[in-house]
Amino acid sequence: TQLLEQSPQFLSIQEGENLTVYCNSSSVFSSLQWYRQEPGEGPVLLVTVVTGGEVKKLKRLTFQFGDARKDSSLHITAAQPGDTGLYLCAGGGDNYGQNFVFGPGTRLSVLP
Amino acid sequence: KAGVTQTPRYLIKTRGQQVTLSCSPISGHRSVSWYQQTPGQGLQFLFEYFSETQRNKGNFPGRFSGRQFSNSRSEMNVSTLELGDSALYLCASSFNGAGGYNEQFFGPGTRLTVL
Repeated sequence: TQLLEQSPQFLSIQEGENLTVYCNSSSVFSSLQWYRQEPGEGPVLLVTVVTGGEVKKLKRLTFQFGDARKDSSLHITAAQPGDTGLYLCAGGGDNYGQNFVFGPGTRLSVLP
Repeated sequence: KAGVTQTPRYLIKTRGQQVTLSCSPISGHRSVSWYQQTPGQGLQFLFEYFSETQRNKGNFPGRFSGRQFSNSRSEMNVSTLELGDSALYLCASSFNGAGGYNEQFFGPGTRLTVL
């Protein structure tokens, strides 16, 4: 069974600080997705990483897929209050019916 | 393209009742998955439908059921509601083309409160 762990579980920082959250597994994933979810809403897909060692940037967010495709990180530069939310990583889903697996999430609070 | 839509957005029921939730996937997406999200348990997989067939199922009791129609729209039903069924129910759709990786896109969810 594939499992995803995320750390830290909670993170509270001041506006303007940098942060990194992690998504780890003992299993190899063909791809990993990162989502951000706000209270009472559905998760919104931020990025999908596919290739080992891949780095993708989305404005102030930088996503990296580990070389062995077992882990991923999300780095936010100069965090803003609008970055507040639950960050979820997911992986495992493919076009042949394999289920997606979700991590427990990192709850980020950026204080003004 | 329009995103995934879910109806209703909010629902209040009492114990013992049943409820039906609806999900319309992104046009062209053939796979629909349902998840239950609670503060204590996180995102829990309920089931996935593809081409009107249940392809995968999570570890939930038989009170939770679903179906998918020929237009890929999906419904899930919960019978004999319990207090612990109070949660955000999320629907996600994916394209499921040939080969490669897959991505899920979520709807806004249905907040179910059981009193």
